[in-house]
Amino acid sequence: DARVTQTPRHKVTEMGQEVTMRCQPILGHNTVFWYRQTMMQGLELLAYFRNRAPLDDSGMPKDRFSAEMPDATLATLKIQPSEPRDSAVYFCASAPGQGPHGYTFGSGTRLTVV
Amino acid sequence: LAKTTQPISMDSYEGQEVNITCSHNNIATNDYITWYQQFPSQGPRFIIQGYKTKVTNEVASLFIPADRKSSTLSLPRVSLSDTAVYYCLVGDRGGTASKLTFGTGTRLQVTL
Repeated sequence: DARVTQTPRHKVTEMGQEVTMRCQPILGHNTVFWYRQTMMQGLELLAYFRNRAPLDDSGMPKDRFSAEMPDATLATLKIQPSEPRDSAVYFCASAPGQGPHGYTFGSGTRLTVV
Repeated sequence: LAKTTQPISMDSYEGQEVNITCSHNNIATNDYITWYQQFPSQGPRFIIQGYKTKVTNEVASLFIPADRKSSTLSLPRVSLSDTAVYYCLVGDRGGTASKLTFGTGTRLQVTL
């Protein structure tokens, strides 16, 4: 089965440090999403791209978060500087632009900011 | 984006059929209904998607009435491994605004 690959799986960092999370979408999928999941807020959409262009990042704190797709095989989510409230599981998902398919999610990056 | 409402939790015994209903009163003409399943420490997994009437796959069935203001996910003969959170979402499947917003989901607990 085709998979969305996220790295790292776990990350512990100190407050103020930069964190970069990476995602390799499924080959041929032109839509990529970043979600954040916490117990309190559930799954929140942070940003999404189509054909590498950002379509919506309104769910993302602009002052510290940034999302990019340097190429079709890599999406990155960066937090600088990180804060304890950023502790969460960050999921990347990809989908084909059209057709009867749902999103395919990665296994997530569990971020802990201490 | 259409808002969805579903029960917070459900309990079932192994071997029973489970039906989870989701309300989406302001669903738009272009919206599809999609269900996801999430196990602890994993990302959500696509289960089924439909637009109207009934859709069935190897995992579940999805029933959508004519007015499309609700939908029911049916899991036949659940097992312990079906214990998970189930999310109902509505969204435009292929348009420029095809992002999906997750609600709180339904936590299904299956016991012996």
